[in-house]
Amino acid sequence: DAGITQSPRYKITETGRQVTLMCHQTWSHSYMFWYRQDLGHGLRLIYYSAAADITDKGEVPDGYVVSRSKTENFPLTLESATRSQTSVYFCASNFDRQHGDTQYFGPGTRLTVL
Amino acid sequence: GDSVTQMEGPVTLSEEAFLTINCTYTATGYPSLFWYVQYPGEGLQLLLKATKADDKGSNKGFEATYRKETTSFHLEKGSVQVSDSAVYFCALSRNTPLVFGKGTRLSVIA
Repeated sequence: DAGITQSPRYKITETGRQVTLMCHQTWSHSYMFWYRQDLGHGLRLIYYSAAADITDKGEVPDGYVVSRSKTENFPLTLESATRSQTSVYFCASNFDRQHGDTQYFGPGTRLTVL
Repeated sequence: GDSVTQMEGPVTLSEEAFLTINCTYTATGYPSLFWYVQYPGEGLQLLLKATKADDKGSNKGFEATYRKETTSFHLEKGSVQVSDSAVYFCALSRNTPLVFGKGTRLSVIA
């Protein structure tokens, strides 16, 4: 049972380049989320998706694009990376919108933008 | 909007000491409340949760009680171990994405 995986685990890129972070879950969870974690800010929601082809903005969506053509995948793209996007990115999923439902997190991708 | 406030860290304790990490929330209605833990180099994992007032969540010796009257969900453990060193996040949910506190780093020294 692989659960939720992210790739790559580490990425170094340059300002202005396009970067895609991958997220894959094996549980057929309806909901998937992208967060970024920065010192002093905790976790901030970037985008989330309630189902395939349904996405919505979170707290900090600017500079990011998401898509969800298949239930199990939820890639996050930085169209033109900036230094301020250096962060640790976490993908998460949960089965249902019902509050109280546990959210499961991937291991994270550490992105450095030079 | 909804928000979670948890005590600033870092918190440094000796092994076998008592732990309290304070968490208060602001939300309308009756949110579910969670504590997540993040060990070094890993993603977050659920530690415990409570879905209604007066519920007590517990796991691995940690406990937290959902107090509606004080809008609090403080995390406690009677005797911490070095292996409990991690970052702890309080969070709430109201049929929406989780809202997290900023996290509290705990270091336990032998």
